[in-house]
Amino acid sequence: AQSVTQLDSHVSVSEGTPVLLRCNYSSSYSPSLFWYVQHPNKGLQLLLKYTSAATLVKGINGFEAEFKKSETSFHLTKPSAHMSDAAEYFCLYMDSNYQLIWGAGTKLIIKP
Amino acid sequence: SQTIHQWPATLVQPVGSPLSLECTVEGTSNPNLYWYRQAAGRGLQLLFYSVGIGQISSEVPQNLSASRPQDRQFILSSKKLLLSDSGFYLCAWSTWDSYPGANVLTFGAGSRLTVL
Repeated sequence: AQSVTQLDSHVSVSEGTPVLLRCNYSSSYSPSLFWYVQHPNKGLQLLLKYTSAATLVKGINGFEAEFKKSETSFHLTKPSAHMSDAAEYFCLYMDSNYQLIWGAGTKLIIKP
Repeated sequence: SQTIHQWPATLVQPVGSPLSLECTVEGTSNPNLYWYRQAAGRGLQLLFYSVGIGQISSEVPQNLSASRPQDRQFILSSKKLLLSDSGFYLCAWSTWDSYPGANVLTFGAGSRLTVL
């Protein structure tokens, strides 16, 4: 069965330092993968998506993610964290049958 | 452009009272519609999804029900709320496309329900 694992429930970085949020999936098929961000008491907003085109995907707010099939990973990165990036981030997997599988989420904490 | 509206934004209800949360989508037709719940310390739980009017699939047995009386309207209801129904409820929509990656989920702003 397919699954999505967000390896860290919390990540804490200092403002201005790089951000790495990890997402691994398990599947035999080529997935569609998404990253969403949720600020407190808000809905989820799409950051970026991978749909079998370029393996390096650029999203909004300076985020990007790289699809690595050999590592079954889709990690989210940003070169320099900003205070406004503090939020919860969710990785989403969609298979060829349109089944949606969500990661458990990673809370990103930005230290001033 | 497409927009999704969800209301009310916050709700405080006593145990045993009824519930109605409403979600509407504008700017598209025949969307797939979803209700998710986030309870404290837990991830996203899919409650219901709908691929058309009157077509509702329930993912989790619970005290809640959903209805889709119109193409772009999705309602979450309960006849008698439980304490465990407290949480943050999110409505979402997507198109249906033969290519899975095109079916991006777009979320509403959420409804915070507190059952006392």
